[in-house]
Amino acid sequence: QQQVKQSPQSLIVQKGGISIINCAYENTAFDYFPWYQQFPGKGPALLIAIRPDVSEKKEGRFTISFNKSAKQFSLHIMDSQPGDSATYFCAASLGFNKFYFGSGTKLNVKP
Amino acid sequence: NAGVTQTPKFQVLKTGQSMTLQCAQDMNHEYMSWYRQDPGMGLRLIHYSVGAGITDQGEVPNGYNVSRSTTEDFPLRLLSAAPSQTSVYFCASSPDSVEQYFGPGTRLTVT
Repeated sequence: QQQVKQSPQSLIVQKGGISIINCAYENTAFDYFPWYQQFPGKGPALLIAIRPDVSEKKEGRFTISFNKSAKQFSLHIMDSQPGDSATYFCAASLGFNKFYFGSGTKLNVKP
Repeated sequence: NAGVTQTPKFQVLKTGQSMTLQCAQDMNHEYMSWYRQDPGMGLRLIHYSVGAGITDQGEVPNGYNVSRSTTEDFPLRLLSAAPSQTSVYFCASSPDSVEQYFGPGTRLTVT
């Protein structure tokens, strides 16, 4: 049973558009929600993260929206660029280095 | 700093063989983890460590052993390789159990 459910599996967006990836969880003990970006042949790299006491966090073109009551969080990429084409993973942590990852979303930004 | 290094980059094993995947970090991070990445399943936690001498099981620990005798090294041992262990393996380290730094991965094929 997957602890963190991610959708969509793949996403095609035009350059300049908004990319939105969604994740949902059940375990209310999760206390940290990061998003990772992974390019082919590389390890994932931390993009942005949020704690459950905050409803939104923005870093440049990347925004996390967090809905604690719905147990959902999403990543928004504004003004999407071809260089953003990668696989994105959401994750949730129970603390003490114990992370659960979503299944990933492959984003393709068309020029 | 080299960050997180993993060796080998690629490995082919026959069913029943054993081997050790190496992971080292030079950032003096207390927390280290091993994940496997399979298509459509994201990253799944195999084992993790919260400091030298302390390890614990993650989501999918069966068939794998770990030890943490030093802060720098966290090897992953496959005791008797099975085709189901064909995967890409990532090691990660963290200074605070929150922000993880991933290595470049080891692609393992078991025939």
